Amino acid sequence: EAAVTQSPRNKVAVTGGKVTLSCNQTNNHNNMYWYRQDTGHGLRLIHYSYGAGSTEKGDIPDGYKASRPSQENFSLILELATPSQTSVYFCASGVDWSSYEQYFGPGTRLTVL
Amino acid sequence: SQLAEENSWALSVHEGESVTVNCSYKTSITALQWYRQKSGKGPAQLILIRSNEREKRNGRLRATLDTSSQSSSLSITATRCEDTAVYFCATATNTGKLTFGDGTVLTVKP
Repeated sequence: EAAVTQSPRNKVAVTGGKVTLSCNQTNNHNNMYWYRQDTGHGLRLIHYSYGAGSTEKGDIPDGYKASRPSQENFSLILELATPSQTSVYFCASGVDWSSYEQYFGPGTRLTVL
Repeated sequence: SQLAEENSWALSVHEGESVTVNCSYKTSITALQWYRQKSGKGPAQLILIRSNEREKRNGRLRATLDTSSQSSSLSITATRCEDTAVYFCATATNTGKLTFGDGTVLTVKP
């Protein structure tokens, strides 16, 4: 079964601080994604990647950077965290675009004070 | 504007009953997926239905797609308490990116 893990699972950060959320997948999938989910809403795409070394902007990339150093790892970086970035963040992996199915991690709850 | 949305925010049924969740979307799509998210977990795909398909089944689940009215439905028969979750539709375009609706909260009561 597909395995996507995220760390940390919970994070409290201060406004203006740097936050790094990490994601690891053991599926050998080419594509990886970062979403955020706000209470009562669906998931919104922040950044995605086609493979090691590539990152692409999603629908809401402002205030976020991404890094894909290897096939297995994909990080989301908040250089200057703001309270509006308080949310639950999900990482996902997928074989490629045409298969559409994405396998999600358990999520990271981020609170920015 | 929301490109994909479920038509009901919350539904409640008793165990054993059937329920249908509806979704409408606003753009041309290549596929539509239904995901389920249980409390504290990430979403998990239930059914993928491509734009040239009209119906897909997976056990007690049945999804339909009507591209002319830009709508889809997910029906669950013989519901169980463990079906309690948030159900999302997610549309895919030729870019491959997914757009999720806000979800329908389904509660199955004993």
